[in-house]
Amino acid sequence: GDSVTQMEGPVTLSEEAFLTINCTYTATGYPSLFWYVQYPGEGLQLLLKATKADDKGSNKGFEATYRKETTSFHLEKGSVQVSDSAVYFCALRKGSSNTGKLIFGQGTTLQVKP
Amino acid sequence: KAGVTQTPRYLIKTRGQQVTLSCSPISGHRSVSWYQQTPGQGLQFLFEYFSETQRNKGNFPGRFSGRQFSNSRSEMNVSTLELGDSALYLCASSWDSNYGYTFGSGTRLTVV
Repeated sequence: GDSVTQMEGPVTLSEEAFLTINCTYTATGYPSLFWYVQYPGEGLQLLLKATKADDKGSNKGFEATYRKETTSFHLEKGSVQVSDSAVYFCALRKGSSNTGKLIFGQGTTLQVKP
Repeated sequence: KAGVTQTPRYLIKTRGQQVTLSCSPISGHRSVSWYQQTPGQGLQFLFEYFSETQRNKGNFPGRFSGRQFSNSRSEMNVSTLELGDSALYLCASSWDSNYGYTFGSGTRLTVV
């Protein structure tokens, strides 16, 4: 079945360090890919998305490129801040219409230290 | 504009009881999905409603049910609660499933 695999956490970085959180997926067809972020005690916020191969999603300094050849959607940020500390979820939605079902990875906790 | 509103935020129930959770989507959004989040299983899809019809359903027992009203507000019900139902239940809405989903802050259900 369809699935999403994220790198194990927690990821601990110093402020201004470079961030990469790996995400790979298994799915038939052409899924849409998403990154969501969850801050403590809150729901999920959409961080960025890409709907077709080679698309690059970007928001708030975060970027991810849809790589169909490696079935990956790695999240990157050039310089993290303490306020980026949160849990990050990679997710896919099947490419066919009429489904809002998102399949999530297990989440990666990011801790940024000053 | 107002976001997705879930009520209540916290709930404590006794094993065997039933519970109803409510979700008010963003105005104009027709699709509402529900997810269960637990430390062990992560985020799991429960079901999706679109224009009052259940369009997709996850792999949960029949104790979990939902509905959507004509104003797009949605409720989910869990009957005969079990300890394992303790979780954060998240609702998400979208104008259409081809667009991104906006999540609410969730309802934290604790079954004792």
